[in-house]
Amino acid sequence: GENVEQHPSTLSVQEGDSAVIKCTYSDSASNYFPWYKQELGKRPQLIIDIRSNVGEKKDQRIAVTLNKTAKHFSLHITETQPEDSAVYFCAAMFAGGTSYGKLTFGQGTILTVHP
Amino acid sequence: DGGITQSPKYLFRKEGQNVTLSCEQNLNHDAMYWYRQDPGQGLRLIYYSQIVNDFQKGDIAEGYSVSREKKESFPLTVTSAQKNPTAFYLCASSPTGRVGTEAFFGQGTRLTVV
Repeated sequence: GENVEQHPSTLSVQEGDSAVIKCTYSDSASNYFPWYKQELGKRPQLIIDIRSNVGEKKDQRIAVTLNKTAKHFSLHITETQPEDSAVYFCAAMFAGGTSYGKLTFGQGTILTVHP
Repeated sequence: DGGITQSPKYLFRKEGQNVTLSCEQNLNHDAMYWYRQDPGQGLRLIYYSQIVNDFQKGDIAEGYSVSREKKESFPLTVTSAQKNPTAFYLCASSPTGRVGTEAFFGQGTRLTVV
């Protein structure tokens, strides 16, 4: 089955710096890769996603890149702000066979942005 | 509030008892998911369903059961066979069974075994 590995588990940056979180997936039949942000005590919420037919997507300070050959994708946050502090999860959705639609998450990254 | 509701928010269970967590959505979504969240382990998939009357095991299905008799409802039963049930449980739904659509989460249920 699909396995998603996420690194690093914790990331500490100064306000204004960039933050990068990386994920790898195991099954080439996965074709949808969302990123979620979970603030303390709240539900995860989608911040950006990318499909396998696209190599990069950007939304203001957030961007995601996908390398299908290497089976990895990354979240890039520029000009970080204290309110970016949260847990970030990557995920991969499987699109093949009997596991169609299976959405598997990485282990999460705790991002702390220091003022 | 997002259209997907989990209840109760907090649940206490005695050892050896089964307990059912509710998940209801009024978004007309086809797909629904159950995840377990433990510190440092991310979101682990328990069960998922792409359509009414059909569901598949996720990565940690042992000790859990589900049903999908109605499109809007996907209850999760934590059975006495689950050895370590204390955790935060999250339900999610997405618009269609077609791959590539956003999943929306409920607010979660925190289950504690006492």
